[in-house]
Amino acid sequence: GAGVSQSPSNKVTEKGKDVELRCDPISGHTALYWYRQSLGQGLEFLIYFQGNSAPDKSGLPSDRFSAERTGGSVSTLTIQRTQQEDSAVYLCASSLFTGGKYFGAGTRLSVL
Amino acid sequence: LAKTTQPISMDSYEGQEVNITCSHNNIATNDYITWYQQFPSQGPRFIIQGYKTKVTNEVASLFIPADRKSSTLSLPRVSLSDTAVYYCLVVLSGGYNKLIFGAGTRLAVHP
Repeated sequence: GAGVSQSPSNKVTEKGKDVELRCDPISGHTALYWYRQSLGQGLEFLIYFQGNSAPDKSGLPSDRFSAERTGGSVSTLTIQRTQQEDSAVYLCASSLFTGGKYFGAGTRLSVL
Repeated sequence: LAKTTQPISMDSYEGQEVNITCSHNNIATNDYITWYQQFPSQGPRFIIQGYKTKVTNEVASLFIPADRKSSTLSLPRVSLSDTAVYYCLVVLSGGYNKLIFGAGTRLAVHP
């Protein structure tokens, strides 16, 4: 596609439920990043993929958070047993190995 | 990665030039300065990147003095649609990087 696509755009869930957030990067971009942005805050790095490997997972807040990438393309961020503090906008970005990053519009997650 | 410091907010009026200065005292030799723009409910958008002196594109200019401890993003003749948060980041040239975002500068352009 023309840009980074994320789905769903909005997700409302109940505390304790699992959620999956999807990212479709720009075709050909080998690097993929997940960030989180809480209301009125800057972006918080979560995880980086190069191809299907994740050499840097240092930003994942807890073991309830996991992510995978298949075929060097689509990535899924999974949050298990969601908590209210997980409420945020989850942003995905992709890039060639070097170069500027292109962000998607994000998934707004609300945990009730 | 070098920490950056920029004003929390700025106000301007349509048609004016806006200059946002960012301090990065601990910038390393191989680091570049990059600026992103973020509108509400959107992901950040790359604006401009530079290493030293001056870089200009269709959106903005970036001025970097010789010591590279600061940089200034210049937006010519702003319009209401330039109201956004502007982030200054220091990134390592080549390879991947995390893009550590600070709080950014919230620019409000008034009629």
